[in-house]
Amino acid sequence: GESVGLHLPTLSVQEGDNSIINCAYSNSASDYFIWYKQESGKGPQFIIDIRSNMDKRQGQRVTVLLNKTVKHLSLQIAATQPGDSAVYFCAESGLMDTGRRALTFGSGTRLQVQP
Amino acid sequence: NAGVTQTPKFQVLKTGQSMTLQCAQDMNHNSMYWYRQDPGMGLRLIYYSASEGTTDKGEVPNGYNVSRLNKREFSLRLESAAPSQTSVYFCASSEAPGVGYNEQFFGPGTRLTVL
Repeated sequence: GESVGLHLPTLSVQEGDNSIINCAYSNSASDYFIWYKQESGKGPQFIIDIRSNMDKRQGQRVTVLLNKTVKHLSLQIAATQPGDSAVYFCAESGLMDTGRRALTFGSGTRLQVQP
Repeated sequence: NAGVTQTPKFQVLKTGQSMTLQCAQDMNHNSMYWYRQDPGMGLRLIYYSASEGTTDKGEVPNGYNVSRLNKREFSLRLESAAPSQTSVYFCASSEAPGVGYNEQFFGPGTRLTVL
């Protein structure tokens, strides 16, 4: 079936370095993508989103890149800080066979920032 | 604004017991959602309410019922709890109706253990 997945379950980076978290999706009908951050013991927090008519979107210290040709999504975090340590989820949204829109989450990547 | 609040934070049930998870949002959002999150997996949608007075099944609705009590509140009920329902439950809300194409705000979660 259709799925959203992440290549790396854990990513460890040094404080100050840039981080790149990758996500592969398989539903070609997906047209909206979201990145969430989840800190331990908390609910997911929206970071940034992107629609399929764009290939790049920037926020504060974060950039999302979308490559529809290879169905790949990435989240770049500039100058990673200890407070960025969390699990990051990508999610895709698209019309399902039922005609309804669904939001499907990946399993997450844990980002560990070393001081 | 408190955002999305959930009660209780933790709960332990015996197999066959029933309970209701409560969720409330103070952002005047139209849509509300219930997800479950199992270890190593992404969030899966149980039920959602696109607007007050409507509810729809998500990906994993079996064993659950929901009630959209009013615009603010959306409850999730387990009539006869099973060990397979051990999970962390998240409630979320969004301004626009329906799933996808809009940012969802999450509560802190309820950690449920069924023995």
